[in-house]
Amino acid sequence: SQLAEENLWALSVHEGESVTVNCSYKTSITALQWYRQKSGEGPAQLILIRSNEREKRNGRLRATLDTSSQSSSLSITATRCEDTAVYFCAPSNYNVLYFGSGTKLTVEP
Amino acid sequence: GPKVLQIPSHQIIDMGQMVTLNCDPVSNHLYFYWYKQILGQQMEFLVNFYNGKVMEKSKLFKDQFSVERPDGSYFTLKIQPTALEDSAVYFCASSSTGGASTGQLYFGEGSKLTVL
Repeated sequence: SQLAEENLWALSVHEGESVTVNCSYKTSITALQWYRQKSGEGPAQLILIRSNEREKRNGRLRATLDTSSQSSSLSITATRCEDTAVYFCAPSNYNVLYFGSGTKLTVEP
Repeated sequence: GPKVLQIPSHQIIDMGQMVTLNCDPVSNHLYFYWYKQILGQQMEFLVNFYNGKVMEKSKLFKDQFSVERPDGSYFTLKIQPTALEDSAVYFCASSSTGGASTGQLYFGEGSKLTVL
């Protein structure tokens, strides 16, 4: 069974809009990371949020973590076409990252 | 930013043959990982490696799989013999810290393996 799962397989927004991707996980964690993977590329880290943190920001990105409900969200404000990618949450337990199936985000002009 | 290079980008082989996937990690990184991604599915952890040893491996890391990094050169994943279900994209990653809880993993662009 999957240890992490994003709640939507695909999402589409128009440029400039805000969007939120949600994720739930099933394992105890020491941290959770969000990654983005563009077509033909490897995943690239966006944010790392530790298990004792509730929120982390990085520019237009904001991640939240709720360890009691074992869930996390990634919000992107003022989306751009280049934000089009698959977004993965990746909870970690010390040395291993577990990836969800990803949410495919399409940002249209 | 830092780059992880993977060679080859695509390899087609016949079932039963041996294949070696090569990874050139970020300079000075000490921790290395392999992940497997079947088309349309999630990326799954195979193995992590530090100081010449496998630290952890998943059930997907079958007996036919092996990893090594001889003399600080490429970090390699060898599959011998290959099976049809080994067809996937294999991603290598490296990090400067041992814990995925504290550091960023840098991923390569993947090596697509097709087993016929």
